Amino acid sequence: KAGVTQTPRYLIKTRGQQVTLSCSPISGHRSVSWYQQTPGQGLQFLFEYFSETQRNKGNFPGRFSGRQFSNSRSEMNVSTLELGDSALYLCASSLYGNTIYFGEGSWLTVV
Amino acid sequence: DAKTTQPTSMDCAEGRAANLPCNHSTISGNEYVYWYRQIHSQGPQYIIHGLKNNETNEMASLIITEDRKSSTLILPHATLRDTAVYYCIGLQRQGAQKLVFGQGTRLTINP
Repeated sequence: KAGVTQTPRYLIKTRGQQVTLSCSPISGHRSVSWYQQTPGQGLQFLFEYFSETQRNKGNFPGRFSGRQFSNSRSEMNVSTLELGDSALYLCASSLYGNTIYFGEGSWLTVV
Repeated sequence: DAKTTQPTSMDCAEGRAANLPCNHSTISGNEYVYWYRQIHSQGPQYIIHGLKNNETNEMASLIITEDRKSSTLILPHATLRDTAVYYCIGLQRQGAQKLVFGQGTRLTINP
């Protein structure tokens, strides 16, 4: 069974640009969540989607957004990139109420 | 969500058992104790979880005290590949799936 798949694995963007990251959950998993990891702040929850609805949102500005499609695949978008958005972005999926599994992450560098 | 407290770092000799403690004195009755680890630059890896009883799987054992205020993750025969940051997290399995990561314990396995 394939794990959580994130694309792209690495990308470099310029300040002011926007970026879209993609996540394919484990087959059958309907909950998809996103996390940001930086050296200074550690692992922080961004948001969680279940059946195309955002159920929970972390304390991030509105520049961070996401969506989930009917096949449970999810995307997150960061607009007007800032240097501080450089981070490892992690996607995770779970069956409802069960163990959460993480992907390998997307490394974003903003220059 | 329960606040967890873990030692910042620990060392263990290769081949010996690594015992990682976690204090979660504010854990609620329906919160599970989950353990994840993160090897440098990779996504967090699920290890084990439990509610009240001790649990064992192919990776580790989890010992939860009777009052559920603390737990210990045991890696029975640590190898160099077990060097990682280990996170102890309290999670309610109903509702929005959100993991609150602390700083974790940086475990170093020495040859």
